[in-house]
Amino acid sequence: DAKTTQPPSMDCAEGRAANLPCNHSTISGNEYVYWYRQIHSQGPQYIIHGLKNNETNEMASLIITEDRKSSTLILPHATLRDTAVYYCIVNSGGSNYKLTFGKGTLLTVNP
Amino acid sequence: DAGVIQSPRHEVTEMGQEVTLRCKPISGHDYLFWYRQTMMRGLELLIYFNNNVPIDDSGMPEDRFSAKMPNASFSTLKIQPSEPRDSAVYFCASIFSSRGRISEQFFGPGTRLTVL
Repeated sequence: DAKTTQPPSMDCAEGRAANLPCNHSTISGNEYVYWYRQIHSQGPQYIIHGLKNNETNEMASLIITEDRKSSTLILPHATLRDTAVYYCIVNSGGSNYKLTFGKGTLLTVNP
Repeated sequence: DAGVIQSPRHEVTEMGQEVTLRCKPISGHDYLFWYRQTMMRGLELLIYFNNNVPIDDSGMPEDRFSAKMPNASFSTLKIQPSEPRDSAVYFCASIFSSRGRISEQFFGPGTRLTVL
């Protein structure tokens, strides 16, 4: 699976949009981009995934660049409860369920 | 659904003792994963099962670690003998696989293990 690069930490004001970047320049054509997050002392939680197109669900939006070498997770209206470590993971999907978690980005939402 | 259930939530033991961690996956899920998380190494996959059969145990650190899944609703991760470097948070996760669909992993709350 392709390697990902994320900033170690970011800050965001409550109520504002949080934009978390991820670099995956070696991604191959059949690999998906997944995002999970881990709130302190809890297990990781799935957020969203995408292949080529932008995706949106009730939690977040995922914007993938046309060349697929990078992506951005957007939390449209961050709340204090969104403070967590966010992991960007690249995986070929299908029956490949092995997720490799890197160090992620610690997002701190400030009041 | 209660989600993935793990027990105990906290375990403190002394070096050399046997430790058994337990996991109940979400009903109907056919894959089960065991992860370990430490500050130094982050979140690592140890082993995973499909329909109670171990598929990949390449992440199991050494022979002191063993995992079983005797039925679809129960799995154990055993460490014998335990060592201080085994101190970590151990997570269990499960998936309902569906051909052609991406399946999200549902994680349990974890077991915090401290080996003195």
